[in-house]
Order: sequence, then structure tokens, then C-alpha cells
Amino acid sequence: QVTLKESGPALVKPTQTLTLTCTFSGFSLNTPEMRVAWIRQPPGKALEWLARIDWDDDKFYSKSLGTRLAISKDTSKNQVVLTMTNVEPVDTATYFCARLCGGDCYSSHAFDIWGQGTVVIVSS
Amino acid sequence: SSELTQDPAVSVALGQTVRITCQGESLRRYYASWYRQIPGQAPVLLIYGQGTRPSGIPDRISGSNSGSTASLTITGAQAEDEADYYCCFRDSTFNQYVFGTGTTVTVL
Repeated sequence: QVTLKESGPALVKPTQTLTLTCTFSGFSLNTPEMRVAWIRQPPGKALEWLARIDWDDDKFYSKSLGTRLAISKDTSKNQVVLTMTNVEPVDTATYFCARLCGGDCYSSHAFDIWGQGTVVIVSS
Repeated sequence: SSELTQDPAVSVALGQTVRITCQGESLRRYYASWYRQIPGQAPVLLIYGQGTRPSGIPDRISGSNSGSTASLTITGAQAEDEADYYCCFRDSTFNQYVFGTGTTVTVL
């Protein structure tokens, strides 16, 4: 069974750096075609893709946030970490990590399994 | 433009059919995936590619594409279908993922 779970601080002050961890099980990021992404959702708003990391350590970032984001993986711990620098109140959101499907689904770039999300509030 | 536009809200009577649309010029080139999200929960993948359902998604849920519009159709709407629905595509030119604006479905 594939599961993902996000963790991180619930409250962050403006200008600080936010670090979120996605711990997953049921697959390995050492396996070809495996990919994990971060997506966020401000309260009452739509989903927004942030970043993706692949089994071969390729990394992709949202154009609108790219310079503030960094994504990395620790395959020994089955974790993906996202850091976001210089956070602002507009970064208040639920942050999800999700696996992108592999196999027959690979080319569709669909997010087939999602974590439950972690709420992050940016406030002084 | 890589934006995806959805109607903010639609309603459907119990047992009837509802079609949720997602519009964007990029959909002429790319297929959309569809997600259902019950408020307070994580999204669930419903449709990907040319209308493929992951295992566990009932066949009363279907997806189609025509021109710049992707559609998600729910036949025999049930109370559990009351949720927010999002379309999404990946722009291969820029390696960006774009979500639609979301549609809230109410089952009457």
C-alpha cells in the first residue's frame, strides 16, 4: 500500500524559511519512473503545483515560486523535503505531497496518491 | 495561455447526470487529469490520459476531450459526489503543472 505523509511546522513567521518533509512508503524513489511532487492549497482556493523530484534526481519548480523553492530526496529514509525561503502570509496554505503515477500511467503526469496535507500558517 | 478555467459551481439532482468542464487552449495539445476533493481532505485522482480511470473509480465517472475543453461526466449522481473537482495538465514545454480553478458540485 502506497502512503505519503507530510510534516512540518504549523506556524512560521514572515521572512523565515519553511521546511516540509514528505515521508512515504510502498514505493522507492530509487525505482525508475518514480516521482514525487509538492502541491499547496490556500484556504478556500485552488490547488497550486510547487515542485517535483524524480528518481534520477531531476528537479522542476513552479515558475512563479522557483527561486524560493528547493526540493531534495533522501532515499534511505524514503523522504522528500521542500524548503521555501522568505515566507509571507500569502504562503499560508495546506501543503500536500503526492506521487506521480508510473507504469502505464507515467506519461499522463497524474498525481495518483496524495498525502493528507499539512496546514502551514505564516503570521507574526 | 496555460490557464484552465472551470465553472465555479454546478448542481445536480440525485441520480441525474452532471458534466464538469475545464477550458484552456493548452488542452488542444495535452490531456487533463481530474481530481475530486472533499473539503478538508486530500484530492483523489478520478481520470487521467484519454479518459482512464484508476482502479476503484466507478464507471459512472468518465472523462472526454474536445478541442480546448476537457469534460468530466458523473452519471447517477450520489451524495458522495458532492465535492470540489479540479482538472490539471502538465505543460511539457515549461515542465509546469497547471490546475484548474475548481468546480464545486452540489447534489440536490
